[in-house]
Amino acid sequence: KQEVTQIPAALSVPEGENLVLNCSFTDSAIYNLQWFRQDPGKGLTSLLLIQSSQREQTSGRLNASLDKSSGRSTLYIAASQPGDSATYLCAAPTGANNLFFGTGTRLTVIP
Amino acid sequence: DTGVSQDPRHKITKRGQNVTFRCDPISEHNRLYWYRQTLGQGPEFLTYFQNEAQLEKSRLLSDRFSAERPKGSFSTLEIQRTEQGDSAMYLCASSLASTGELFFGEGSRLTVL
Repeated sequence: KQEVTQIPAALSVPEGENLVLNCSFTDSAIYNLQWFRQDPGKGLTSLLLIQSSQREQTSGRLNASLDKSSGRSTLYIAASQPGDSATYLCAAPTGANNLFFGTGTRLTVIP
Repeated sequence: DTGVSQDPRHKITKRGQNVTFRCDPISEHNRLYWYRQTLGQGPEFLTYFQNEAQLEKSRLLSDRFSAERPKGSFSTLEIQRTEQGDSAMYLCASSLASTGELFFGEGSRLTVL
């Protein structure tokens, strides 16, 4: 069974700082890797999807990279803002059928 | 496109009662998923449909849980004889088989007293 680990579990940074969130997975035969954002009590919002044949994806201030051979993905957030405060989750399906989620990184951006 | 919608958003029930949640996926999406999330944890897969066919069920899904997607559009998740351990957020997601990108609803929070 795929195991997904996210480090750190929580992160607090001052506004404007660049930061990196880490995601590792045990089974490299992934279909894709997806990063989500979750605000308290809400559902998940898709941020970036990296197909297994890709190495990175960018959207605005967000950049996600994927290294299948080492079982790692990173989410880079540039020039962090208080509105970025949320829990960030990564998910790595080993088939088209379902996603295995990490427990997330809770990010707080201090104004 | 209004995204994935779930109803009700909140449900409080007494132990032993039955509850049903509904999910309306993004209209052109052929895959629909149900997940359960407890506080501080990532979502756990429950089951998934491709069109109207239920293709996979997690071992987490006990006999008290049943899901349907009768016409390949909306889906329902029913929990019979609820237990306090069923208290959680139930999340629905949908995707196109061609991309695999999941889009989630806002969830249905269940509290069993």
